[in-house]
Amino acid sequence: GEDVEQSLFLSVREGDSSVINCTYTDSSSTYLYWYKQEPGAGLQLLTYIFSNMDMKQDQRLTVLLNKKDKHLSLRIADTQTGDSAIYFCAESMDSGAGSYQLTFGKGTKLSVIP
Amino acid sequence: NAGVTQTPKFQVLKTGQSMTLQCAQDMNHEYMSWYRQDPGMGLRLIHYSVGAGITDQGEVPNGYNVSRSTTEDFPLRLLSAAPSQTSVYFCASSPDETNTEAFFGQGTRLTVV
Repeated sequence: GEDVEQSLFLSVREGDSSVINCTYTDSSSTYLYWYKQEPGAGLQLLTYIFSNMDMKQDQRLTVLLNKKDKHLSLRIADTQTGDSAIYFCAESMDSGAGSYQLTFGKGTKLSVIP
Repeated sequence: NAGVTQTPKFQVLKTGQSMTLQCAQDMNHEYMSWYRQDPGMGLRLIHYSVGAGITDQGEVPNGYNVSRSTTEDFPLRLLSAAPSQTSVYFCASSPDETNTEAFFGQGTRLTVV
């Protein structure tokens, strides 16, 4: 079955770059996503990348996709204390029933040290 | 726009009780889903719907029922609550099947004692 793996914790100093890594097993993934969850809140979609892309940049966020190694990363430039949260990697693929089902990793807790 | 609204935010049930978790969205999204989030785990899909009148099972459907009589509402029913259903439940909606614009509710924290 599908599996999405992430490291559980990452700690960085304010102003440094953060890199959160994710590996997935299903080569038929169509979209790959990064979600952010702040304490007591729901998930917020940060960005996504289509599987035929290598890179996507959106302000401080850069997503890199290595399809050969099934590796996805999220780089946050100039990390701020407000970036402290849990970041979830997710993949989706066509279920064949008209819906793309999301499979989530366990989440990486990012702690930003002032 | 309110987005995706879940009620209640917190609930404590006794084993064997039944209840319905409510989810409503005002964005006219066709696709809605229910997930549960357990400590140290990612979200797992319980049930989903691709439109009014259509529902299907996700990864962990046992013990839960859903219905989709309107586009706006997608309630999740626990027929006979068990301690294993203690979790945080999230409802999500999306305008299309790709989930590239998915919105999540704030979650319902359920404890079954």
